[in-house]
Amino acid sequence: DIQMTQSPSTLSASVGDRVTITCRASQSISSWLAWYQQKPGKAPKLLIYKASILESGVPSRFSGSGSGTEFTLTISSLQPDDFATYHCQQYNSYSEGFTFGPGTKVDIK
Amino acid sequence: QLQLQESGPGLVRPSETLSLTCTVSGGSISNTYFWGWIRQPPGKGLEWIGSISYSGNTYYYPSLKSRVTITVDTSKNQFSLKLRSVTAADTGIYYCARRQAGHGVDVWGQGTTVSVSS
Repeated sequence: DIQMTQSPSTLSASVGDRVTITCRASQSISSWLAWYQQKPGKAPKLLIYKASILESGVPSRFSGSGSGTEFTLTISSLQPDDFATYHCQQYNSYSEGFTFGPGTKVDIK
Repeated sequence: QLQLQESGPGLVRPSETLSLTCTVSGGSISNTYFWGWIRQPPGKGLEWIGSISYSGNTYYYPSLKSRVTITVDTSKNQFSLKLRSVTAADTGIYYCARRQAGHGVDVWGQGTTVSVSS
């Protein structure tokens, strides 16, 4: 299985802060990585796919980068609506399954 | 706008089979997408269960492969999940979802809570 890790597990920040979350894969997944935002009691929402492509309708303050085994999600200026949990997911290989990272909770400082 | 809705029992007895159905509305399940299931144990992260292509090819997460079957019924615009021999570890929220090749999961159901308990 391809294992995914995220850091930090929790991040405390203020409105207007620049926030960066890191996701690492246990082996190379090329650019086959997606990022999701999840709020309590809700289904996840796709933010970014193929490591850096912004999903339609997602604000441009969200950006993604990386390839191979290390990836980052950046929120350039944190907004009140952005306090949530963020998950990364690799989708490199059907036979390996499309594993998710454990999540990063962004809360109010 | 495409919508997905999960349905099925909220309580399953240990060792029995969990069965869920996802109804697709606002679009055809026969389009060139993948239809899948994802779960989330209480207070934990997301876990990929598996998916099925519009043509019926299935892809299961390795650790669940021996217990999982995903099928599609194009006449009803539905796809289904069966998870056999469940234990308390299978308790959680189950989401049905749509994925495009090379893309992430862009459409999600609202999720349904399944508890495994006697």
